[in-house]
Amino acid sequence: GQNIDQPTEMTATEGAIVQINCTYQTSGFNGLFWYQQHAGEAPTFLSYNVLDGLEEKGRFSSFLSRSKGYSYLLLKELQMKDSASYLCAVRAINQAGTALIFGKGTTLSVSS
Amino acid sequence: EPEVTQTPSHQVTQMGQEVILRCVPISNHLYFYWYRQILGQKVEFLVSFYNNEISEKSEIFDDQFSVERPDGSNFTLKIRSTKLEDSAMYFCASSERSSGNTIYFGEGSWLTVV
Repeated sequence: GQNIDQPTEMTATEGAIVQINCTYQTSGFNGLFWYQQHAGEAPTFLSYNVLDGLEEKGRFSSFLSRSKGYSYLLLKELQMKDSASYLCAVRAINQAGTALIFGKGTTLSVSS
Repeated sequence: EPEVTQTPSHQVTQMGQEVILRCVPISNHLYFYWYRQILGQKVEFLVSFYNNEISEKSEIFDDQFSVERPDGSNFTLKIRSTKLEDSAMYFCASSERSSGNTIYFGEGSWLTVV
């Protein structure tokens, strides 16, 4: 089975840095994705990690430790538009190995 | 930028009726998916489709559901006899290949069963 845990809610202020953690337990592992989802909209891709370490993409970075089943998404220089839900998703190894399984998401509220 | 398109954006249907949700995946993508998200809940995997057949499906995807690629561009999800609990946002998604490739989501079809 698969289990993905992330905090339900977080708050931060404009200009700050926030780290959203995700822990996972899967039968096999074939990559971890972070998506952003604004209310009523589709998830949009932010980052992908399959090897241990940090992937940086502008204001967003994502870290993975496969041995610990742990990832985080780091958002720097927060802006009001970053208020959204952040979804951690894992691709497990199975017969076809294609589907992503999502966590419940972390709702981030950025205030001024 | 190429995108996944879905129709309709919103559909209201009576319980017991059949519904077909349509999707046009990104043109060079080979893997297609349906996900759903009940209001306030997480995004849930339904089914993946490759090479004209289902490659995997979740427990949610029971005999009520079916998928089809009727031509070279469309990918459809059919719900045979809708129930109230089928009310959700249904997202179509696609990717170029299986592992290591980003899954891109359409804007969703919001289904309301009354």
